[in-house]
Amino acid sequence: GNSVTQMEGPVTLSEEAFLTINCTYTATGYPSLFWYVQYPGEGLQLLLKATKADDKGSNKGFEATYRKETTSFHLEKGSVQVSDSAVYFCALRNSGNTPLVFGKGTRLSVIA
Amino acid sequence: NAGVTQTPKFQVLKTGQSMTLQCAQDMNHNSMYWYRQDPGMGLRLIYYSASEGTTDKGEVPNGYNVSRLNKREFSLRLESAAPSQTSVYFCASRDREGSTDTQYFGPGTRLTVL
Repeated sequence: GNSVTQMEGPVTLSEEAFLTINCTYTATGYPSLFWYVQYPGEGLQLLLKATKADDKGSNKGFEATYRKETTSFHLEKGSVQVSDSAVYFCALRNSGNTPLVFGKGTRLSVIA
Repeated sequence: NAGVTQTPKFQVLKTGQSMTLQCAQDMNHNSMYWYRQDPGMGLRLIYYSASEGTTDKGEVPNGYNVSRLNKREFSLRLESAAPSQTSVYFCASRDREGSTDTQYFGPGTRLTVL
């Protein structure tokens, strides 16, 4: 079946530190991959996505590259801010109209 | 353009009571979803509706029913609430026009079952 595994948190970083949140997936076929972010007290919102191998998604300074050979989609940011404190979810959609499959989420806390 | 709205925001029920969580979207999306979020479990899909008039079970459908009332509205019903249904419930709709593939989430309903 399809599944997403992401690193367990919480992750605590100082402002301006480099961020990596690991995400690996298992899927049949060629899924689309996503990162969603949930700020405190809110619903999830799309951060970035990639639809095929070697694609790089980017938004708000965050990046992730679809690596088919390692079945990974790690999230990175060069310099985090306090406002990046949130829960980050990696997800995949295998094809067409199938629902998203989410990882369990990684909580990030950035301290000034 | 309000996006995805959910009511109520908070609810406390006693075991055995019933209630309906309401969800509406004004973006003309075909697909809608209900998730529950529990600590350490991420988001788990309860039910979804790929288009008006259709509904399908997700990962954790037991104890829930849904109705896709029209293209805008997708409600979730708990017929006999149990403490295990204490959770935060999120509704979402999906935009897949062109190359877009984005799910929009509502603000959530925090439900406590005593």
